[in-house]
Amino acid sequence: QVQLQQWGAGLLKPSETLSLTCAVYGGSFSDYYWSWIRQPPGKGLEWIGEIIHSGTSYYNPSLRSRVTISEDTSKNQLSLKLTSVTATDTAVYFCARRRRGKGYDSWGQGALVTVSS
Amino acid sequence: DIQMTQSPSTLSASVGDRVTITCRASQSTSGWLAWYQQKPGKAPKLLIYEASSLESGVTSRFSGSGSGTEFTLTISSLQPDDFATYYCQQYNSYPLTFGGGTKVEIK
Repeated sequence: QVQLQQWGAGLLKPSETLSLTCAVYGGSFSDYYWSWIRQPPGKGLEWIGEIIHSGTSYYNPSLRSRVTISEDTSKNQLSLKLTSVTATDTAVYFCARRRRGKGYDSWGQGALVTVSS
Repeated sequence: DIQMTQSPSTLSASVGDRVTITCRASQSTSGWLAWYQQKPGKAPKLLIYEASSLESGVTSRFSGSGSGTEFTLTISSLQPDDFATYYCQQYNSYPLTFGGGTKVEIK
């Protein structure tokens, strides 16, 4: 049974860089697409971006200038960096995986990131 | 971008009711449509993929239908564990997009 475990700083000041890591245990890393998705408090889900096994990344145009998703296949880890954060980036951030043709069938536990001065 | 619009945004229903949630896409998703259930403080759970395929381990009370731009999620007989928020998501083209959610409340 695959498990996705996330970690990273939970409190940031405006203009700082958000950095989260997601480790994948018990499953293949290369057979899936890996994504970051966020959810502001009390609101809906927002897709941030995705990296596929070829190393190609796709990003939400609204965040593209500030976001980088990368993978370390030797460690089965996925990373998210979001620069120049503001209060509007306050959200629970999830990592998730999907196969081609399917939805996200496994999710991390979520990490609340708060941006406040 | 493909915009996903769910209706209603909130639904009040009783245990045993048949419940239907609608998701409309601004352009065809070619059937690449998923439904998720989310409970407070938890990650979403995949229910349906490819518009009508039931995810392994998900109760058959849930079913999905539709094609092109209009899709529905049906709960055949609402159970206490089903009170949650439901999201549709298209994965036909980037950026992937979610609907705004439908909260199913106890009537």
